[in-house]
Amino acid sequence: SQKIEQNSEALNIQEGKTATLTCNYTNYSPAYLQWYRQDPGRGPVFLLLIRENEKEKRKERLKVTFDTTLKQSLFHITASQPADSATYLCAPPNNAGNMLTFGGGTRLMVKP
Amino acid sequence: DAMVIQNPRYQVTQFGKPVTLSCSQTLNHNVMYWYQQKSSQAPKLLFHYYDKDFNNEADTPDNFQSRRPNTSFCFLDIRSPGLGDAAMYLCATSRDYRSEQFFGPGTRLTVL
Repeated sequence: SQKIEQNSEALNIQEGKTATLTCNYTNYSPAYLQWYRQDPGRGPVFLLLIRENEKEKRKERLKVTFDTTLKQSLFHITASQPADSATYLCAPPNNAGNMLTFGGGTRLMVKP
Repeated sequence: DAMVIQNPRYQVTQFGKPVTLSCSQTLNHNVMYWYQQKSSQAPKLLFHYYDKDFNNEADTPDNFQSRRPNTSFCFLDIRSPGLGDAAMYLCATSRDYRSEQFFGPGTRLTVL
């Protein structure tokens, strides 16, 4: 069955550095993948969608890559700020392509 | 302006006492979803509506039911809450299956 893996350990980085979060998927090939941000006690907020024919997508300080050979998406935040501290969820669709399947998320902590 | 509203934000119920959570949207989206999220876990899809068509996930307990009386509103009914049902319940909407999802702030359910 399909599996989505994100590093469950928190990522701690210093303000100003680039944060890189990983999402690995196995046993299928999603046509696209979404990334969301979730703050404690709040609902997730959509950030970016990347399609299988797009190697890279950017939005302000955010960059997402999608490597269908490695079955991996990387999420980068450049010039990170303490306000970027949150949990980041990757969400490819399921095998049928109609429902998102959320990864467990990686918690990012940016220290001043 | 709030686009997906959930009420109440916090709900306390007693073991076995039915509870209803509500969700409304101002986006006029076709799809409405209910997720359950427990601490440090991924949101787990319970069911969704595409317009009036109800779609239940295979592993959603019968204890959970849903109603969508019109485009704007959707309800989650838990007929006999158990201690294991304590969680954050998230409502989300999307224009269609492949579009980004807009989440409400969630309802935190406590079962005593």
